[in-house]
Amino acid sequence: DIQMTQSPSSLSASVGDRVTITCQASQDISNYLNWYQQKPGKAPKLLIYDASNLETGVPSRFSGSGSGTDFTFTISSLQPEDIATFYCQQYGILPYTFGQGTKLEIK
Amino acid sequence: QVQLVESGGGLVKPGGSLRLSCAASGFTFSDYYMTWIRQAPGKGLEWVSYISGSGSTIYYADSVKGRFTISRDNAKNSLYLQMNSLRAEDTAVYYCARGAALDYWGQGTLVTVSS
Repeated sequence: DIQMTQSPSSLSASVGDRVTITCQASQDISNYLNWYQQKPGKAPKLLIYDASNLETGVPSRFSGSGSGTDFTFTISSLQPEDIATFYCQQYGILPYTFGQGTKLEIK
Repeated sequence: QVQLVESGGGLVKPGGSLRLSCAASGFTFSDYYMTWIRQAPGKGLEWVSYISGSGSTIYYADSVKGRFTISRDNAKNSLYLQMNSLRAEDTAVYYCARGAALDYWGQGTLVTVSS
């Protein structure tokens, strides 16, 4: 199975900060990589698909990049409502697998 | 608008069975792969199984292979997960989601396996 190594596992940042999360795949997955946001008690929400495409309705402060094995998710200016756990997920090679998550908190 | 509503969760004893359902609306159900994902309490997301639009292609995570069966009824716009030989480690919120890329998710249904 493809291992998705996501880092950091937790992150504390201030409002307005630039936040970056990385995800590394154990094999080449091309650009078959999504990023999700999950708020407490809620279902995950798709933010970025195919590594770098912003889902409709998602604020432009969220972005993604990368291909192959190395991927990055960025929040350009952290807002209070962004507090959540973020997950990467590869859907290039079955079984599709998730990163372990990054819990983002406000400093 | 796209809606996915799971049901069928509950408390079951180890070794027991449960059938989850996911009712879909707001899109042409038969055009899409559908996926089950689960999340144990306080843990991350685990991909469980998916099924193609026609039902001809199915895949399972090793952790559930041989115990869980995914199916769908396109006439009823419904997705199912038959779970047999349940174990304590199957305790989780189970989500259904649209597609392989999981662009829409249901609210989840809690399955608790405990004696």
